[in-house]
Amino acid sequence: SAVISQKPSRDICQRGTSLTIQCQVDSQVTMMFWYRQQPGQSLTLIATANQGSEATYESGFVIDKFPISRPNLTFSTLTVSNMSPEDSSIYLCSSTRGTGYNEQFFGPGTRLTVL
Amino acid sequence: GEDVEQSLFLSVREGDSSVINCTYTDSSSTYLYWYKQEPGAGLQLLTYIFSNMDMKQDQRLTVLLNKKDKHLSLRIADTQTGDSAIYFCAEIHTGTASKLTFGTGTRLQVTL
Repeated sequence: SAVISQKPSRDICQRGTSLTIQCQVDSQVTMMFWYRQQPGQSLTLIATANQGSEATYESGFVIDKFPISRPNLTFSTLTVSNMSPEDSSIYLCSSTRGTGYNEQFFGPGTRLTVL
Repeated sequence: GEDVEQSLFLSVREGDSSVINCTYTDSSSTYLYWYKQEPGAGLQLLTYIFSNMDMKQDQRLTVLLNKKDKHLSLRIADTQTGDSAIYFCAEIHTGTASKLTFGTGTRLQVTL
């Protein structure tokens, strides 16, 4: 299994600011993803982080709001830009070693509160 | 689009069996998963089943898949207080490059 760490684990931010969340995997993986879990809700996929190229965003999510980087096979960042209280959520990264079926492991999440 | 539904809440007594149910709409689902989320924690992969299987058992966990009815269940035998958590089913279907679609989550409460 892959061990995934995220930083920060939680943060409280002011409206209009931006926060960058880091995700580190302990071994090389093929796929990395970013999910959002709004309070009391299920997980929704934000985007697939592609190594060396632009991320692939799901419907309803845009690069200007959620810029993503993935400079190598073990690291990715998600920035939540120009935050509003509606962005208060848990943000989780996940990884898998291949396409199709593979066990997908999740980081512990970053709990973001926007005031 | 895909739709994955679960009941919101389940309460069981310690030592009893828990059965958490999940229904999905996408008939091309190829792999189905169960994740556990404890309070303040990330997601823990519990088990998974391929769509060509009917059942999978892993220690206290039994997964049943009825592909005709698009119904998935997770049975936890001898439920313990440490099993209290939110349980999510999730599916991947052909052509989605490992993108998981999650169910709405079931909160399991284990009482003494």
